[in-house]
Parts: sequence; structure tokens; C-alpha cells
Amino acid sequence: DTEVTQTPKHLVMGMTNKKSLKCEQHMGHRAMYWYKQKAKKPPELMFVYSYEKLSINESVPSRFSPECPNSSLLNLHLHALQPEDSALYLCASSLPTSGEETQYFGPGTRLLVL
Amino acid sequence: DQQVKQNSPSLSVQEGRISILNCDYTNSMFDYFLWYKKYPAEGPTFLISISSIKDKNEDGRFTVFLNKSAKHLSLHIVPSQPGDSAVYFCAASGGTSYGKLTFGQGTILTVHP
Repeated sequence: DTEVTQTPKHLVMGMTNKKSLKCEQHMGHRAMYWYKQKAKKPPELMFVYSYEKLSINESVPSRFSPECPNSSLLNLHLHALQPEDSALYLCASSLPTSGEETQYFGPGTRLLVL
Repeated sequence: DQQVKQNSPSLSVQEGRISILNCDYTNSMFDYFLWYKKYPAEGPTFLISISSIKDKNEDGRFTVFLNKSAKHLSLHIVPSQPGDSAVYFCAASGGTSYGKLTFGQGTILTVHP
């Protein structure tokens, strides 16, 4: 089973709203990732959690706040977003091993900021 | 600085024929390479990977070839099927980018019946 689940599938929010995206995996993976993908572009890495600790933050604005409550769950808290933040937000997970890590992606949350 | 490049934005192939998707990279520290397939509004699906210690890896209809001296990899799909129509991304990891995948821009594959 290589399933990563994400909720919600779609989200519409205003620029003053606070919302959260959720990601879950039960593969025993210890690394989890948030990516942002715009149309016709490759996924862009936002955050990496390794063993529940934030290990990479790709200079993401503070209006995006990640949280890893346990090894199976990853949240992305959203506050005061801009219309240009509208995108597909992808969660992924991997073991990790010694570097040859295959990341498995969830179906994504389609976010629209009005 | 685009470290992983897929120079063909699109590829059109007849059903039953071979599809060859290409990818070039510039960072010699990359040591693990992956191919993902993506349908619109869905997450990327892992297809196949290859370590830098190998030059070929095969899984069913999918074969990935790695030429380290040329910093080039390719994905062969034989035979191609209409259901293979999607965007294909190659990705690389390794060196100081541990935990981070660097993606190419993607190639849209269309397989015609």
C-alpha cells in the first residue's frame, strides 16, 4: 500500500480566512513533504519533516505554517493568503533511507484564494 | 538554474509503438533518479526509479536508462497505450539536496489509438 491521503480535495478561502490542509499516511514513512504546484509547472518543494522535525523550509512565507503532530500526520495551516497562492498543494512521504528515497504523493488539495 | 531539464514539452505516439521521454541533468551530485506520471488535478504517481550505480532498470512496460557520463536519462514505454497519456516528470535527488527532489518541467505524452 503506497497511499497518501489529503483533505480537503478542494478549498476556497478569502484572504482573511484561516484554514488547514491535512495529510495522512500509514506506510511507516518518517519523512513527509509539502509541495505547491501551479498549472503546467513541476511541483515546488515547500517543507520537509524528517522524524517529525522540520528539516527543510524553502523560504516559504510565514502565512504558510506546517505542523507534524505525529509520524503519520502532516498539516499545513493557512492564514492571510494571497490570490497568487492559489495552486494544487501536494503532500508526499518517504521512508527515508540512505538517500535513495522514493517519495509517494497524495492526490492534492486544489486551493483557490479569492 | 534549472538542474533537471526535459527539453521536449510534448510527445505524440501511436498506440502500440515505443514512447521515449528524455531528461538531462547538470548536477553531478545527483545519485537517484525517478519518473512520475501525472494526470490533471491529481498528484504525481511514482513509475520507476534508478540509482546511479545502475544504467538500466526495468518494470513491466517501463524501462529507465541512465547515462552518467552524458548526464542523461530516458524512459521507454513499450508498448504505449492510450491510458499512458499524461504529463511525465523526471526528478533527481542526492548530494546536498538530500530529502529534496528536483523536478524537470515535464513532458506531455499523448498516445493515439
